[in-house]
Amino acid sequence: AQRVTQPEKLLSVFKGAPVELKCNYSYSGSPELFWYVQYSRQRLQLLLRHISRESIKGFTADLNKGETSFHLKKPFAQEEDSAMYYCALLDSNYQLIWGAGTKLIIKP
Amino acid sequence: NAGVTQTPKFRILKIGQSMTLQCAQDMNHNYMYWYRQDPGMGLKLIYYSVGAGITDKGEVPNGYNVSRSTTEDFPLRLELAAPSQTSVYFCATRREPLGEQYFGPGTRLTVT
Repeated sequence: AQRVTQPEKLLSVFKGAPVELKCNYSYSGSPELFWYVQYSRQRLQLLLRHISRESIKGFTADLNKGETSFHLKKPFAQEEDSAMYYCALLDSNYQLIWGAGTKLIIKP
Repeated sequence: NAGVTQTPKFRILKIGQSMTLQCAQDMNHNYMYWYRQDPGMGLKLIYYSVGAGITDKGEVPNGYNVSRSTTEDFPLRLELAAPSQTSVYFCATRREPLGEQYFGPGTRLTVT
């Protein structure tokens, strides 16, 4: 079954500390994965996608097919990173399968 | 460009009432989606459309209907509102051939 799991509902770290938001997936084919972010009172927006291998706002995510993971990382958290983060998997019908989301709080 | 717009932003319905959630886009995207987001849950797909005149059910279509008479508009209809439909509703589009989706600001619906 196709599934995306974000095991942490809430993650709280201090400013300047490293951040890792976990995402695990279950998919039989070659996965295409995304991280979306929703800042307070803003709409959901794309943060990054694994096929472009880019770094956005200091965040990176590497696809690990062996561990079926796509964890989101940032070496030094900033207060403006506080938001809801969603991991999503694109299925064969071009529909996104969503994780439940992780609320990231950056403490000053 | 406005992108994806949704109206209303908030609405309170009584059980059994009906309403239409509006979604419009000016990006000329063929694919459009309706999701609901319940507290602590991921987004669940209600209906989607691959172009004007074509719609299909998603994961949780019961209690909803959609139409797609134009590329720009994709309204979601609730006929007999139930408390289980209390949720935040998001409309989204997809830019082909890529997979990423573009979201509206959402409509927060409460059914009491």
